[in-house]
Order: sequence, then C-alpha cells, then structure tokens
Amino acid sequence: GQSLEQPSEVTAVEGAIVQINCTYQTSGFYGLSWYQQHDGGAPTFLSYNGLDGLEETGRFSSFLSRSDSYGYLLLQELQMKDSASYFCAVRDRTGGFKTIFGAGTRLFVKA
Amino acid sequence: GAVVSQHPSRVICKSGTSVKIECRSLDFQATTMFWYRQFPKQSLMLMATSNEGSKATYEQGVEKDKFLINHASLTLSTLTVTSAHPEDSSFYICSAAAGTSADTQYFGPGTRLTVL
Repeated sequence: GQSLEQPSEVTAVEGAIVQINCTYQTSGFYGLSWYQQHDGGAPTFLSYNGLDGLEETGRFSSFLSRSDSYGYLLLQELQMKDSASYFCAVRDRTGGFKTIFGAGTRLFVKA
Repeated sequence: GAVVSQHPSRVICKSGTSVKIECRSLDFQATTMFWYRQFPKQSLMLMATSNEGSKATYEQGVEKDKFLINHASLTLSTLTVTSAHPEDSSFYICSAAAGTSADTQYFGPGTRLTVL
C-alpha cells in the first residue's frame, strides 16, 4: 500500500517563508505532486516532481529526494491568500498511475 | 491548463434515492478518470479509477454496487450513488488524465452531495 506523512498544521506570518515536508512509502513511486485547496473548493495543482531536485514556479518551489522518500513544498513571500490546506500526493504506477493524497497540512498565514 | 467540469455542483436528495454526478474533460481526451470523496477537514480518498471502455477499479472498502462508475467516452465519466444515505453526504471530486503516464491530473470543481 501507500502512506504519506505531512504536518497537520503550520502557522506563519505574512512575508515569511514556510516549508511543508512530506515523507512517503509506496512500492510503485512515479512522482510527487502538491495541491492547494481552499475551504469549499477543489484542489488546484501547484507542482510536480518526477525526478530528484528542485522545481520552482513563482513563489512556490517543490523538492524531491527519491532515495530518502522525501519531498517538500516551499512557499516564499507568504500572503494572506496562501492560507489553505496543502496536500502532497504520490503518483503510483501500480493500479493505473493513481494519485494517493496525504492528510494535508493546514497553513495559517497571520498579518 | 486543461479544464474538467462536474455537474451538478451541489445536490440535495432524500435518503434512498440515487444521484448521478457527471465529470467531463472539456478540451482533452481523458483516458483515465479518478473519483475521490472528501469528508469535511479530511483528505481526498480515492474511490475508483476508471478507464474508457472498461470496468472501473475500486479501492478497498468502496462498494462497487453502491457507487456505479461508467466511463463511456473519452470525455465523460459518471458516478451514480445508489440508494443514498446521510452517511454518503460528502464532497465528490473527479480528476482526469490524458494518459496513464501523464504527469498531471486535472481536477473538477467537485460536487457537494447532501442526503437528508
């Protein structure tokens, strides 16, 4: 089976940098994705890592180390609108490349 | 990016009735579609994976006779919640991928089901 671990909650102030870690266990690892979800909305795709290293997209970056089964999402220059839940998700090639989500990290950005 | 729609966005029904939720990929052909369920303040739980023209693959613990999935075309998958009960009230979200090895899944906006 698959399992993912990420912190349940993180609080930071506007303008700061926050890192959300994710460790995973899966037999058919294909890639690690990050999604943002605001209350009442659907998840929106933020970033994907299929290979080791850092992917940067504007204020958001994501990192993957496949040997450590570890990744993180880095959010810079935090804004109030970044307050949301962030999910790491493993793409697993077994069973049709399904995506399994972590429990989510609730980010609170304070003024 | 690619667009996936869901209909309806909200539905309220009486206990015992069946509800159909549609998921459409609007500007690409979706070989694979996934159905998720999300309870309040919880993560997305994968219910089933459906490939066009074949039977859906259900995750452990998901009743295939209760949650009927049909993926009749490359742009449409439907989830029917049969004989719905209040415990089926949830946020149902579909996603679509252009190919089995696609890097990105595109999510629909979700359907909030309330069973009275």
